[in-house]
Amino acid sequence: DAMVIQNPRYQVTQFGKPVTLSCSQTLNHNVMYWYQQKSSQAPKLLFHYYDKDFNNEADTPDNFQSRRPNTSFCFLDIRSPGLGDAAMYLCATSKGQGVYEQYFGPGTRLTVT
Amino acid sequence: QKEVEQNSGPLSVPEGAIASLNCTYSDRVSQSFFWYRQYSGKSPELIMSIYSNGDKEDGRFTAQLNKASQYVSLLIRDSQPSDSATYLCAVEPNFGNEKLTFGTGTRLTIIP
Repeated sequence: DAMVIQNPRYQVTQFGKPVTLSCSQTLNHNVMYWYQQKSSQAPKLLFHYYDKDFNNEADTPDNFQSRRPNTSFCFLDIRSPGLGDAAMYLCATSKGQGVYEQYFGPGTRLTVT
Repeated sequence: QKEVEQNSGPLSVPEGAIASLNCTYSDRVSQSFFWYRQYSGKSPELIMSIYSNGDKEDGRFTAQLNKASQYVSLLIRDSQPSDSATYLCAVEPNFGNEKLTFGTGTRLTIIP
């Protein structure tokens, strides 16, 4: 089945220790998104790629970076995690080209100690 | 003013009844509207898309869109305990930038 996969599902990192979250997709979608979601809040878009074109949200901290080496994979790097970065990180994809349905992966729950 | 507004709930509905979830949006030119279901600790799952005024039915789910009044709703018929979740409304603001604006969600509890 075509799907969006995120690894790891749970990640524990220490304050200030860099961490990388990964996302892969078999849907062959053009657009990949990274969201941060905290309890009882809406998903907050951090950035997205349309193909190789990177789009950063204005309020995304510099501490968050992303890479998309190919169509299938996208990575979220948190360079120096703080306690406030503990959250669920969601990867989503959409076909693009005027088709806006987004499909989410299972998410990575990040804990910062 | 929030761009997409939902009543946070919790909304409690008896099993077998109709659950009605509402969402209003501020951008009049929005064209695409989505409902996502999110179980506690899980990721959002797309359950309905609607683009035209009126009703769209899919199984026990009906999405209703009224662009003139800028609201979209989701009806769940014959509610089941497994429908207990948070329902997120998402709107494509027609900026052509492939982004959705999400509401904060309505927490629905189906009471057996």
